[in-house]
Amino acid sequence: EVQLVESGGGLVKPGGSLRLSCAASGFTFSSYSMTWVRQAPGKGLEWVSFISSSSSYVYYADSVEGRFTLSRDNAKNSLYLQMNGLRAEDTAVYYCARDKDGYGSFDYWGQGTLVTVSS
Amino acid sequence: SSELTQDPAVSVALGQTVRITCQGDRLRRYYGSWYQQKPGQAPILVIYNKNSRPSGIPDRFSGSSSGNTASLTITGAQAEDEADYYCNSRDSSGNHVVFGGGTKLAVL
Repeated sequence: EVQLVESGGGLVKPGGSLRLSCAASGFTFSSYSMTWVRQAPGKGLEWVSFISSSSSYVYYADSVEGRFTLSRDNAKNSLYLQMNGLRAEDTAVYYCARDKDGYGSFDYWGQGTLVTVSS
Repeated sequence: SSELTQDPAVSVALGQTVRITCQGDRLRRYYGSWYQQKPGQAPILVIYNKNSRPSGIPDRFSGSSSGNTASLTITGAQAEDEADYYCNSRDSSGNHVVFGGGTKLAVL
């Protein structure tokens, strides 16, 4: 069974940092691109970042470019999102998801982790 | 504003057919995917590559695309289909992904 489990969310002050993790199991993690999607309270889905299976390609939404860094450790079946310079508008549930074919079809999602940026 | 446009809300009578649409120029080049999200839950992929269904998704869900519009059709809507539905696709660069604003489906 495919499972994605996010962790690392919490309350942080504006300008602070958090590192989110996503532990994957039930599939060959190293064969799949992965992505983070967030959802602000009461709002829609927003794509955040993508990383290819071998980390050769990493892309970011304009809203987080330069502040967030996505990485992965295929030996540990884990995905990491380092978030620096956090702003109130980064408050959201953050989901990690598997990219089924590398073209933006996300076939498995974690349960999400809440990040709250507030003073 | 989202580069993929969806109607904010749509309603359908129980057992009837409903079409949810998603418009955007990038849909002329890239296929869209569709996601169902119920309150408090993570999204679920229901359609990808225009009209492919992941295993476990009922065949009352189907997808189509024409020009700049992708559509999700639910034939014989059930009470459990009441949810938010989002489309997504690659953006004009091909490297980013964009989601539509979402459509809240009410099954009456």
